Amino acid sequence: GQNIDQPTEMTATEGAIVQINCTYQTSGFNGLFWYQQHAGEAPTFLSYNVLDGLEEKGRFSSFLSRSKGYSYLLLKELQMKDSASYLCALPMNRDDKIIFGKGTRLHILP
Amino acid sequence: DGGITQSPKYLFRKEGQNVTLSCEQNLNHDAMYWYRQDPGQGLRLIYYSQIVNDFQKGDIAEGYSVSREKKESFPLTVTSAQKNPTAFYLCASSIGGTSYNEQFFGPGTRLTVL
Repeated sequence: GQNIDQPTEMTATEGAIVQINCTYQTSGFNGLFWYQQHAGEAPTFLSYNVLDGLEEKGRFSSFLSRSKGYSYLLLKELQMKDSASYLCALPMNRDDKIIFGKGTRLHILP
Repeated sequence: DGGITQSPKYLFRKEGQNVTLSCEQNLNHDAMYWYRQDPGQGLRLIYYSQIVNDFQKGDIAEGYSVSREKKESFPLTVTSAQKNPTAFYLCASSIGGTSYNEQFFGPGTRLTVL
């Protein structure tokens, strides 16, 4: 089976850096997604990691360690608009399904 | 502009009534999905379809039904058998073929059953 764990909530300060962790267990690994979801809105794609290491995309970076079943999303130079939930998700290898974690709600303080 | 549309944004129904939520996409995507999201919860998969005229149950299909008669459309019916239907419903689509493809989401429908 599959299991995804993320912290429920985190708080950080505008201009700072925050790391949101995701640990997972899966019978077959097919990469890992990160999505951002503002309250009451649709999730939007942030990143997809399939190989170990860090991938940087502007202020956002995503890291993957397959051997440890671990990923993190790193947000730099935090802005108030980064207040959102961040969802870690695993694609399944049998079909088109994606399993989502419960998400981490990030609060940004001025 | 390509995208996914869901209507309406807010929907109110009386208990015991069936209600159908609309989802349309013009991205030419083969795969479409319905998720339910409750406060403080992640997305839970209700139904998904990888191709026209075919669909599979997700993790919480009881009390719901779908159809996929056209590639562009994947309506979801919330039946009276669904015990707790009040939730935020999200439709998504992807190119299909494998699960590694990014899913694109519609704006969602917030259903309240009174």
